[in-house]
Amino acid sequence: EDKVVQSPLSLVVHEGDTVTLNCSYEVTNFRSLLWYKQEKKAPTFLFMLTSSGIEKKSGRLSSILDKKELFSILNITATQTGDSAVYLCAVAGSQGNLIFGKGTKLSVKP
Amino acid sequence: GAGVSQSPRYKVAKRGQDVALRCDPISGHVSLFWYQQALGQGPEFLTYFQNEAQLDKSGLPSDRFFAERPEGSVSTLKIQRTQQEDSAVYLCASSLGDWPLIYSNQPQHFGDGTRLSIL
Repeated sequence: EDKVVQSPLSLVVHEGDTVTLNCSYEVTNFRSLLWYKQEKKAPTFLFMLTSSGIEKKSGRLSSILDKKELFSILNITATQTGDSAVYLCAVAGSQGNLIFGKGTKLSVKP
Repeated sequence: GAGVSQSPRYKVAKRGQDVALRCDPISGHVSLFWYQQALGQGPEFLTYFQNEAQLDKSGLPSDRFFAERPEGSVSTLKIQRTQQEDSAVYLCASSLGDWPLIYSNQPQHFGDGTRLSIL
């Protein structure tokens, strides 16, 4: 059965800290891995990863995929209170739909 | 519009009633998806449309759930004879690409969802 596991499930840090969120997966016929940020409303797209070892970067956020070890990490440097959200990892497999993890709830304290 | 629009934002219904949830995708987006998100969980796939064709409905939990997209733009998710376990946020997402590009270089963009509460 396809599955996506995120860790930790929740994390509390202080502004300025650097955090690393983990996502491991078991999916038949992997196609891509996506990261989303979900505050109170719609999940907003962050990254789509299809190739191993190529870091994608957007401001203070970056992500990388390891297709051999079947995981991805999302890094956030110099965290701000506005980074507080649930971060969702999703993988597209052979069934033709996205399989989401449960998310990591990040709380950034001032 | 600029993004995916869903209505209503909140829906409260009594057990046994039928409900209809609407999704307006981003203009020009070929692919449309419905997801169900329970509290504290990630979204779970329900169904996928490419234009007006429903290509995958494997995630619909029962035959009480029905989705349509008759003209290839707006979609409606209908739930008949609602049960308490149907209470969740229903998310709609659209993508510019069609299968299989949607999973290689065209991400899905989500609406704010409809929060459905069944009493």
